[in-house]
Amino acid sequence: DAGVTQSPTHLIKTRGQQVTLRCSPKSGHDTVSWYQQALGQGPQFIFQYYEEEERQRGNFPDRFSGHQFPNYSSELNVNALLLGDSALYLCASSFSGQGASNQPQHFGDGTRLSIL
Amino acid sequence: GQNIDQPTEMTATEGAIVQINCTYQTSGFNGLFWYQQHAGEAPTFLSYNVLDGLEEKGRFSSFLSRSKGYSYLLLKELQMTDSASYLCAVMDSNYQLIWGAGTKLIIKP
Repeated sequence: DAGVTQSPTHLIKTRGQQVTLRCSPKSGHDTVSWYQQALGQGPQFIFQYYEEEERQRGNFPDRFSGHQFPNYSSELNVNALLLGDSALYLCASSFSGQGASNQPQHFGDGTRLSIL
Repeated sequence: GQNIDQPTEMTATEGAIVQINCTYQTSGFNGLFWYQQHAGEAPTFLSYNVLDGLEEKGRFSSFLSRSKGYSYLLLKELQMTDSASYLCAVMDSNYQLIWGAGTKLIIKP
């Protein structure tokens, strides 16, 4: 039973470029959340996708966008990259069915994005 | 605003007990989660509390007081591999997880 998988594991980009990060949720999960984690900080919520729609969004600019596919996998796109976008990007999957509020989110290993 | 407070760093001795505190102020409450995160790795789920009281899971226990907006994670019989960051996260009324900055736990022999 595969857990949450993310690709790529590491990525180096320059300012102004665009990046796409990918996530496959844990089997049986239908909801994907994306987080940005700076060094020494807790994860910051970017947005959450359910039924191919953005269900919730954190305090991130429109440069951050996403998508969820029919197989529940998801992409995070960041345009016009800034130096401050350098961080670990974590994908977490969960189940949104009945009784789901107490179900933990399961995290992938993350993509470490470095902006030069 | 929403806020989760945890100590930045704690030090404990191998074999001892340590308690990591978390206080929160959120828009609604639908449960509190504790996660462990080793350096360079993804967070892994430790415990969930939604009702007041103590939940025990082996060497780890988690306590919740909703009236006080307070939780703690108790780690017993500390091992060197318990050196990690411990993250407190609260699920708010929109079922969104609000995260603390984490407590870095250093275990000394």
